Amino acid sequence: AQKITQTQPGMFVQEKEAVTLDCTYDTSDPSYGLFWYKQPSSGEMIFLIYQGSYDQQNATEGRYSLNFQKARKSANLVISASQLGDSAMYFCAMREEGSNDYKLSFGAGTTVTVRA
Amino acid sequence: EAGVVQSPRYKIIEKKQPVAFWCNPISGHNTLYWYRQNLGQGPELLIRYENEEAVDDSQLPKDRFSAERLKGVDSTLKIQPAELGDSAVYLCASSLAIWTEQETQYFGPGTRLLVL
Repeated sequence: AQKITQTQPGMFVQEKEAVTLDCTYDTSDPSYGLFWYKQPSSGEMIFLIYQGSYDQQNATEGRYSLNFQKARKSANLVISASQLGDSAMYFCAMREEGSNDYKLSFGAGTTVTVRA
Repeated sequence: EAGVVQSPRYKIIEKKQPVAFWCNPISGHNTLYWYRQNLGQGPELLIRYENEEAVDDSQLPKDRFSAERLKGVDSTLKIQPAELGDSAVYLCASSLAIWTEQETQYFGPGTRLLVL
């Protein structure tokens, strides 16, 4: 079964506007971490933000914030004040502590294109 | 601080030929991962090392793939012989050996392999 679902294959956003990227996850493990990565055309996966399953507050890192709704099993990424350099592929990933394999399970990704 | 280094960045080979990829993790990171990313998909774990020990290679196609991490630092991933379906981006990642759900993996730029 798919552990991470990203339903938006591609999105367009106007420069300086905010964009929300959807991510839902599936796990029975009570302890897990959720990550967002950015992958520009150069190919490198760049870590953006982390949310722990026990964290009471939504994570924020500069222009990135994570809208964590545990009951709905969603962890949407919000990028505020979009810049042209934000154009990239964005991946949501999860790591389950109980799995003992410590691997990241990735979604299929969402392509974001920022328009001037 | 230098990030994860991978080489080569690009490789084009004919099927049935061997190929090798090299990774140098972030200094001090004991855990090293090799992922394969097919076009339009998220990365999938091939193998994970804790120091020089391969602790999870369940997803590594062992008939043609091999990996090593001598001295617990650099790592090499080899394919012999390569098949058309091996065309993908091979990503190396590293992290500190902290076994929690918060352990962040940092990725290299990847090697784009094309098998003709």
